[in-house]
Amino acid sequence: EIVLTQSPGTLSLSPGERATLSCRASQSVSSSSLAWYQQKPGQAPRLLIYGVSIRATGIPDRFSGRGSGTDFTLTISRLEPEDFAVYYCQQYGSSPLPFGGGTKVESK
Amino acid sequence: EVQLVESGGGLVQPGRSLRLSCAASGFTFDDYAMHWVRQAPGKGLEWVSGISWNSGRIDYADSVKGRFTISRDNATNSLYLQMNTLRPEDTALYYCTKDFLPVGIGWFDTWGQGALVTVSS
Repeated sequence: EIVLTQSPGTLSLSPGERATLSCRASQSVSSSSLAWYQQKPGQAPRLLIYGVSIRATGIPDRFSGRGSGTDFTLTISRLEPEDFAVYYCQQYGSSPLPFGGGTKVESK
Repeated sequence: EVQLVESGGGLVQPGRSLRLSCAASGFTFDDYAMHWVRQAPGKGLEWVSGISWNSGRIDYADSVKGRFTISRDNATNSLYLQMNTLRPEDTALYYCTKDFLPVGIGWFDTWGQGALVTVSS
């Protein structure tokens, strides 16, 4: 069973800055089967990226994903006020479907 | 508009049962797998269970295996989660989610607003 570890736990940045979030898997993730979600307080999660780097419908291009094997990254090129939230990675392609513990991006 | 609406949450004593429902609309329900994902208060996301489009594949997290049962009714566009022998650690907001794929091992492209389950005496 794959375990996903996200780092850092919290990222304190200012609007306009670049955010780099890490997701590390305990074993290789097959077939680029990694997704990212954004969750704002009091809201359900929202799909951002699947297939490591494919943005979901309506997701702005300041969000990008990359990686392979066991190391994956979500980058927000320039933080907008609405981007301050918690971000989760998720492995799919085989059961179970684990999530990482999340990275909170907070306003400095 | 694709929509998922959960119902059936509430306060229940340890050891008792509860059944969650999810009403789906805005898409062809029987083309897609569905899942339940939960979130304990102040904690992260935990996948609970998934069911393929035709109920031919069903998976559970180890934490709920043998206690929870997922099912679906394609005639009424409904997803269910029967939760038995509930424990305090099952306390969470339970989200109904739509899989991008029919098989049940994909990513979750649509989420409901959640149903709160509180297990306490």
